[in-house]
Amino acid sequence: DTAVSQTPKYLVTQMGNDKSIKCEQNLGHDTMYWYKQDSKKFLKIMFSYNNKELIINETVPNRFSPKSPDKAHLNLHINSLELGDSAVYFCASSQDGGSGELFFGEGSRLTVL
Amino acid sequence: GNSVTQMEGPVTLSEEAFLTINCTYTATGYPSLFWYVQYPGEGLQLLLKATKADDKGSNKGFEATYRKETTSFHLEKGSVQVSDSAVYFCALSPMDSSYKLIFGSGTRLLVRP
Repeated sequence: DTAVSQTPKYLVTQMGNDKSIKCEQNLGHDTMYWYKQDSKKFLKIMFSYNNKELIINETVPNRFSPKSPDKAHLNLHINSLELGDSAVYFCASSQDGGSGELFFGEGSRLTVL
Repeated sequence: GNSVTQMEGPVTLSEEAFLTINCTYTATGYPSLFWYVQYPGEGLQLLLKATKADDKGSNKGFEATYRKETTSFHLEKGSVQVSDSAVYFCALSPMDSSYKLIFGSGTRLLVRP
């Protein structure tokens, strides 16, 4: 039973489209995150949520809108996709925000053509 | 600001060789330090951690010691295996900013039989 699951795993789309990535965790954690990994494997935090409340928004363009309907889910919606949005997006969760012990999903590879 | 610097890869070793991957950090106060590992096609997994100076984290034969005086957290393993081939990320959790794990750029390790 997957602890942190993301869908879809692969996403290929055209510039200007809108797309969503879903994430669910069954660990009972309070905190969830979205990270972006670029082609050089560099990982950068985008958002973190604690009990459905936005805690960190790391200067991400407002085309990216996270939504947390409950503390087990954190979805990422991206409007007007650009070439530079191509990356692997990782969802993660942790029991609390300060421990640094994150559980990651397998990633969603987004390719914008 | 807070940052993590890792040695550039790839690091290529023969099986049973000794491994060192260097990691240094910049942070205020006493951050917690982590090593995460990413196997091909998977999300990141926590490998080990240390939360205060002189702590040694260890797991699966890997070790790293939190050195405050040199602001380092180098990863070592005495005898690597082919199955250790992966990308290794050093990370820190700042004292002054929870809910945010800051990653280094990752170091790819390739172990040849």
